[in-house]
Amino acid sequence: AQKVTQAQTEISVVEKEDVTLDCVYETRDTTYYLFWYKQPPSGELVFLIRRNSFDEQNEISGRYSWNFQKSTSSFNFTITASQVVDSAVYFCALSEASNTGNQFYFGTGTSLTVIP
Amino acid sequence: EAQVTQNPRYLITVTGKKLTVTCSQNMNHEYMSWYRQDPGLGLRQIYYSMNVEVTDKGDVPEGYKVSRKEKRNFPLILESPSPNQTSLYFCASSSTSGRALGTGELFFGEGSRLTVL
Repeated sequence: AQKVTQAQTEISVVEKEDVTLDCVYETRDTTYYLFWYKQPPSGELVFLIRRNSFDEQNEISGRYSWNFQKSTSSFNFTITASQVVDSAVYFCALSEASNTGNQFYFGTGTSLTVIP
Repeated sequence: EAQVTQNPRYLITVTGKKLTVTCSQNMNHEYMSWYRQDPGLGLRQIYYSMNVEVTDKGDVPEGYKVSRKEKRNFPLILESPSPNQTSLYFCASSSTSGRALGTGELFFGEGSRLTVL
């Protein structure tokens, strides 16, 4: 079973529109961490945010915001007033904390295209 | 400059010819890991290492080996590559420690594109 599900494979929006990327995760651990990474067309992986399972406060960073809801096991990412530079593949990821080892699980990614 | 360096960046090889992709980090991180990225499948963890001489399998370890003899280096070894190992490979390291070891921000290398004919 997929631990991290990003149901939206591709999204296209017109510049200045808001867009939300969905992420649903699955874990039995009480301590875990959630992440979003951006992969622009140049191919590098860029860290955007890390949240732990005990902090459900939403976070805002400029045009980016994240909504973490444990009740629905979701960690959604919203870009406000999208720009062409936001065009990229976005990955949601989960890491479960353990004394024996920590695996990372990534979703399959959402490809966002912002049309000028 | 803090970085994770992978080599080679691009490689075309033939089935069965052993190859090693090197990975080195200069941030003194304990946790290092390897991923492969394939279209429609996202990134999948191959192996990870919690510290020197401590390695463990990720989701897709078949056909790969790793070693961690030094803290800074974590090479990925393909003993007998096959065409289904054609992929984009990323090495990453992470800075957290203790029980949160390996759960911090991942610092990724630039990727190694491998083609096995």
